[in-house]
Amino acid sequence: GENVEQHPSTLSVQEGDSAVIKCTYSDSASNYFPWYKQELGKGPQLIIDIRSNVGEKKDQRIAVTLNKTAKHFSLHITETQPEDSAVYFCAANNAGKSTFGDGTTLTVKP
Amino acid sequence: GAVVSQHPSWVICKSGTSVKIECRSLDFQATTMFWYRQFPKQSLMLMATSNEGSKATYEQGVEKDKFLINHASLTLSTRTVTSAHPEDSSFYICSARPRQGLGTDTQYFGPGTRLTVL
Repeated sequence: GENVEQHPSTLSVQEGDSAVIKCTYSDSASNYFPWYKQELGKGPQLIIDIRSNVGEKKDQRIAVTLNKTAKHFSLHITETQPEDSAVYFCAANNAGKSTFGDGTTLTVKP
Repeated sequence: GAVVSQHPSWVICKSGTSVKIECRSLDFQATTMFWYRQFPKQSLMLMATSNEGSKATYEQGVEKDKFLINHASLTLSTRTVTSAHPEDSSFYICSARPRQGLGTDTQYFGPGTRLTVL
């Protein structure tokens, strides 16, 4: 089955700096890679996603890159703000079934 | 769009009682709904997958008779924890995958239900 590894597990940055979270996956059949943001006591919220036929996607301060050959994808957040503090999960999806990474706790210090 | 609701948001019950949790897709029809359990500071653990009109598929190690799932319609799935015990206390989250449009691979999550069994 699919195995997704996510790094780092915790990340602390100063407000205004950039944050990068990386994930690797094992199943080359996975073709859809969403990223979720989860705030304390709430359900995960989809923030950006990318499909295997695209190498990069950007939405304002958030971008995702995908390297299919190396089987890794990354989340980039620029100009971080305190409200970006949360747990971020990556996932790799094959045939509608998602496998999640273990999560990264991002702390943005004001 | 793509809103999923869960009810109740939190529940406290006595050991041995049953608890029902509802998951609704409010503005789209869901082909499939997923039920997860999340331990503190951990990732999402898939427990079961339900498709409208058919039996749910349970992950290995999950007791079917303890976590009954009924996917009654394209917008509603319910999960009943039967004879709950303190070890069932956890944060349970559902997600729904759209039937069409919106990206049918995408899962949209509910806000979660905090279950505490005394």
